[in-house]
Amino acid sequence: DVVMTQSPVSLPVTLGQPASISCRSSQSLVHSNGDTYLNWFQQRPGQSPRRLIYKVSNRDSGVPDRFTGSGSGTDFTLKISRVEAEDVGVYYCMQGTHWGWTFGQGTKVEIK
Amino acid sequence: QVQLVESGGGVVQPGGSLRLSCAASAFPFTKYDMHMHWVRQAPGKGLEWLAFIRYDGGDIHYADSVKGRFTISWDNSKNTLYLQVNSLRADDTAVYYCAKDERGSLWFWGQGTLVTVSS
Repeated sequence: DVVMTQSPVSLPVTLGQPASISCRSSQSLVHSNGDTYLNWFQQRPGQSPRRLIYKVSNRDSGVPDRFTGSGSGTDFTLKISRVEAEDVGVYYCMQGTHWGWTFGQGTKVEIK
Repeated sequence: QVQLVESGGGVVQPGGSLRLSCAASAFPFTKYDMHMHWVRQAPGKGLEWLAFIRYDGGDIHYADSVKGRFTISWDNSKNTLYLQVNSLRADDTAVYYCAKDERGSLWFWGQGTLVTVSS
């Protein structure tokens, strides 16, 4: 299976400040069709996960534009330009390129 | 408006079985769009993808951790997704989510159903 490694595990952030989460895969996530199936999910406390970003950088409908996904190959990043209180939760990257889809271990974003 | 409602969780003894259901209401999607997944989350832990099924059952994939013990199926006539879970172990204790596939990813998630394996 593809191993997804996120860092940091915990991310204390001041309101209004930027935040960045790294996600690295143990092998390339470029599919044979040319797409890269790297996704980002947000899980707020007590809620089901919600997809924020699909195929590296495509924001889902209703996701604020302060969330930006980037990267290629094996190295990906989720950035929050200005953290708001509602952004508190755990963020997961997930690869859907190779069957046996796998998640990163999660990054807990909290307010300082 | 998409709605996914899981049910069938509960307390089961080690070695036991359960059938989890996910009732899907997915307007304006058609049955041809209904590719579905199961994902689980152990208490206080991260997410684990379990299984995928194409709308017609013609393509199915499992995580190695559940292959041979779990079976995913989809009843088009009832718009209901199932996960048959057998030979349950303590480490299968988790909230089980169904999710609709969109653009090759887990787009919309249900609220989950809790399975507790305990004697």
